[in-house]
Amino acid sequence: AQSVTQPDIHITVSEGASLELRCNYSYGATPYLFWYVQSPGQGLQLLLKYFSGDTLVQGIKGFEAEFKRSQSSFNLRKPSVHWSDAAEYFCAVSSGNTGKLIFGQGTTLQVKP
Amino acid sequence: NAGVMQNPRHLVRRRGQEARLRCSPMKGHSHVYWYRQLPEEGLKFMVYLQKENIIDESGMPKERFSAEFPKEGPSILRIQQVVRGDSAAYFCASSPGLNSNQPQHFGDGTRLSIL
Repeated sequence: AQSVTQPDIHITVSEGASLELRCNYSYGATPYLFWYVQSPGQGLQLLLKYFSGDTLVQGIKGFEAEFKRSQSSFNLRKPSVHWSDAAEYFCAVSSGNTGKLIFGQGTTLQVKP
Repeated sequence: NAGVMQNPRHLVRRRGQEARLRCSPMKGHSHVYWYRQLPEEGLKFMVYLQKENIIDESGMPKERFSAEFPKEGPSILRIQQVVRGDSAAYFCASSPGLNSNQPQHFGDGTRLSIL
């Protein structure tokens, strides 16, 4: 069965520091992978997606993610975090031919001034 | 260019009442997904609909929950005889096509509280 694991429930970084959020997936075929961000009381905003091709994908707000098939990982990175990046981040894989998303548990990012 | 519209944003019901959650997909999108986010948990898929058809309801509870996406009008998620455990945020997402590589766009959700 398909699954997504985000090992870190909470992460705290200082403003200006680099960030990496981990995501591991289990999926039999070539996965379609996504990162979404959710601010409190809001819906989910798509940060970036991987379908095929270049394994390093660029997203909005300065985020990027790297697909590593050998490690079944799709980690999200940002070189310098801003206070406005504090939010909850969800990694997801698209399942089968219906497009339904399977989400990880989410990682809450806190940014220290 | 309106995004996915969900209403109401907040809904309060007493145990045993019915809850109706509405979702209007983005313009040009004919595929709708419903997800539920329980407190302190991630989002879980509930149901996938196209116009007038339920395609995948594998995530729907067997009782009290139903969904529809009529030819005209919004998609409706209906919960009958609500219980405390139904308290959650319910999100709707839409996409334009069948291909799995079409990213889903999410609404801001309906926060359902059961008294």
